[in-house]
Amino acid sequence: SQQGEEDPQALSIQEGENATMNCSYKTSINNLQWYRQNSGRGLVHLILIRSNEREKHSGRLRVTLDTSKKSSSLLITASRAADTASYFCARVQAGNQFYFGTGTSLTVIP
Amino acid sequence: DAGITQSPRHKVTETGTPVTLRCHQTENHRYMYWYRQDPGHGLRLIHYSYGVKDTDKGEVSDGYSVSRSKTEDFLLTLESATSSQTSVYFCAISEFDFKGNTIYFGEGSWLTVV
Repeated sequence: SQQGEEDPQALSIQEGENATMNCSYKTSINNLQWYRQNSGRGLVHLILIRSNEREKHSGRLRVTLDTSKKSSSLLITASRAADTASYFCARVQAGNQFYFGTGTSLTVIP
Repeated sequence: DAGITQSPRHKVTETGTPVTLRCHQTENHRYMYWYRQDPGHGLRLIHYSYGVKDTDKGEVSDGYSVSRSKTEDFLLTLESATSSQTSVYFCAISEFDFKGNTIYFGEGSWLTVV
């Protein structure tokens, strides 16, 4: 994508393990957000981190942002089978433009 | 769930025919978007709108046009459909509030061009 990428493309872990996925971006952002998509559905918002923040938590989710490296990571702790989905980061630019990448497909094995 | 309705949800059309997808929102959000999602390409922005009659191009706008004559409706038109436009199309809406800006997605429209 012209706007950046998520990696890995696919991740398979056992239930109870932690899952980490990464997001890179190329241009300046107002904030960065993470979304989840279940198969055949629209994306659902998980968490937002502003460009002046470095870390944010929400339940089992932890997001970090490194603006010097233009990268973010999403950590899901103590994963569950229900966490199986695709995860996307949204690079939010001026003008409220949201750009997504190819996402990370997470499979949590019971 | 955000009040976003996409229609039609599924459509099969022939190459060269015009196709219009409709997005209707009941949230009175200022911003509306059309994305397409394809394997290996992720979610790509086609066009977006920042108000009635105010639209702009996204990453992959060639072959698509949009119109927004009312706050609640955002139409995506394929003037002459091609097989490369076979995809899942998502409409989305967004607004600024005290929490920031979050984008909400519709359930998608599956378009097959044969």
